[in-house]
Order: sequence, then structure tokens, then C-alpha cells
Amino acid sequence: DAKTTQPPSMDCAEGRAANLPCNHSTISGNEYVYWYRQIHSQGPQYIIHGLKNNETNEMASLIITEDRKSSTLILPHATLRDTAVYYCIVRPHRNFNKFYFGSGTKLNVKP
Amino acid sequence: DVKVTQSSRYLVKRTGEKVFLECVQDMDHENMFWYRQDPGLGLRLIYFSYDVKMKEKGDIPEGYSVSREKKERFSLILESASTNQTSMYLCASTTRAGSYEQYFGPGTRLTVT
Repeated sequence: DAKTTQPPSMDCAEGRAANLPCNHSTISGNEYVYWYRQIHSQGPQYIIHGLKNNETNEMASLIITEDRKSSTLILPHATLRDTAVYYCIVRPHRNFNKFYFGSGTKLNVKP
Repeated sequence: DVKVTQSSRYLVKRTGEKVFLECVQDMDHENMFWYRQDPGLGLRLIYFSYDVKMKEKGDIPEGYSVSREKKERFSLILESASTNQTSMYLCASTTRAGSYEQYFGPGTRLTVT
């Protein structure tokens, strides 16, 4: 039931920007785009969310296309500690029942 | 920093045993959740609680019960463990109003043999 499509894996050089794409062509008007990541053997960690405007916080930037059918998570200066599986999720605000993580993108940050 | 802790990282139990998984959060959050994570299925909500002594069923409550006697603690109980309950169990918490993000614990990898 995953409503998002992400590439299975990506490589990024340490210190460079990592751009992780996500397609969510069936997103509804009341659904937000959330990004989480999961480092091996740990619980998911919230990164950022957005509805239709681009967002930035201390961890990352989120770029959402005007038609809202896709988005890109940007880690501006990737470090080795950013190696993780990144999940793009769409859901209504505060609807914690529906948490379809899908397969995510395994980001490998290399020295 | 919000901290959500879970009583065990790894647990091995036998079929038919009663299993208790404990979760504690230190940020005075009203909402607490129990999920299980299985490959290809993402996270599935088992139970959640909006307040002390309050509980609501999630998508897959069968075979589980919960207890919330104190605000900071939310327990998941497997009344009679079965092999199909082998999974990663994740606890999470949020504040009540307007919260976008859930804070997750490190998870408990439960194996039922």
C-alpha cells in the first residue's frame, strides 16, 4: 500500500550534497510529505515535513514540486553518519495510524 | 532532547509465554504508540494511547494488549506469544497539540521460538 516510490539505493561522497528523490503522484490535498530515516538497528528518526512549500531545518531541505507529485530531500553536506535508509511518507497531518514506510532509499555516504 | 527508551533491545521467548515490552518517554508527551516493523510491510500500528488509562486499537491489535498507568510509561503485552509475533517492536510518542513528528525508541527485536 506504499503511496511513494523511491530508488532503492544511492551513493554520495562525504561532504557533498545528497539529493534523495521521491515520487508521490497520487498524493491528496490534505496529505503532507514526511521524511524519516532509520539507521541500522535503531528506531526511525524524523527529518522534515512539508505540505506545498519548500522547507528547511537544521538537518535538511525539502523541495516539493508545484504539482506536489514529487519531492526531493537534500542533505547539504553529507557525513558518514548520514548513512541510513531514508523513507518518504505521505499522510494526513497527525494521522499516525497510516505509516507506510515502503522500501525507502539506502543512502551510502562514502569517504 | 526527547528520549524514548525501551526495556530490551533483543528478546527471545517461547511460544505460549506472556511477554511484556516496556516503553518510557521523558518529555511529558500525551500520546504514545506501539508499532511493529516487518520487511515489506512498513510500520503497522498495534495500539495507541492519548492519555493515562486511555487506549485505542490500531490496525493490528489481535494478540496484544496494552497498559498505561503512568503518563511516561506505555507497556505492550503479548498474552500468549506466537511465532508470527516475531518482529521488531517500536514505541513512539508525541505531544498532543499540533505535533508533526513522532519520537521513536530504539526498538525491541523479539524472536518467538
